[in-house]
Amino acid sequence: GAGVSQSPSNKVTEKGKDVELRCDPISGHTALYWYRQSLGQGLEFLIYFQGNSAPDKSGLPSDRFSAERTGGSVSTLTIQRTQQEDSAVYLCASSLRPLSSGNTIYFGEGSWLTVV
Amino acid sequence: DAKTTQPTSMDCAEGRAANLPCNHSTISGNEYVYWYRQIHSQGPQYIIHGLKNNETNEMASLIITEDRKSSTLILPHATLRDTAVYYCIVRVDGATNKLIFGTGTLLAVQP
Repeated sequence: GAGVSQSPSNKVTEKGKDVELRCDPISGHTALYWYRQSLGQGLEFLIYFQGNSAPDKSGLPSDRFSAERTGGSVSTLTIQRTQQEDSAVYLCASSLRPLSSGNTIYFGEGSWLTVV
Repeated sequence: DAKTTQPTSMDCAEGRAANLPCNHSTISGNEYVYWYRQIHSQGPQYIIHGLKNNETNEMASLIITEDRKSSTLILPHATLRDTAVYYCIVRVDGATNKLIFGTGTLLAVQP
């Protein structure tokens, strides 16, 4: 596809279950980002991948959150033992090159997670 | 980190130009100014970015002051579909290359 693709678009899960959210970046984009946005709140940075470099995990809120990016393309964000406060929209974004080159990032439409 | 200050909300009449201000007085010489918007329940949409010179594209114009301490996003002919939260972001310098979003300006275009 032409844009960043995320799946599922909506997910309802029970408290304590694990969830996986998938992101397909724009083809050829080397950088990939995950953000989350709770209801009525701003965007919160979670993690950043750039090529084969070690990811910047500084935004992950707890050790229940992890992400991987296989083959430099698709990324999966995993939340273990979900809690109600994890309910949010999880947004993935990608950019052709690092932002230091004056590039920009393009967002997907997000995965809406509801923990009940 | 360079920070940005934006008004919480603004109104604009449909068909008129919307001018959204942003202060970034601590910006450093190699930091870009980015503008995104987020329409309700959608992912953020890239609008425009610039370093020193004014920029224009099919969506908007970006006017950056000579000292680079502030900028203005101009939507030349606002429509109802331009109602959104507009984020002004200064890229965080350094190795992380991430964009940090603030609270933005809620632009309400009135009919």
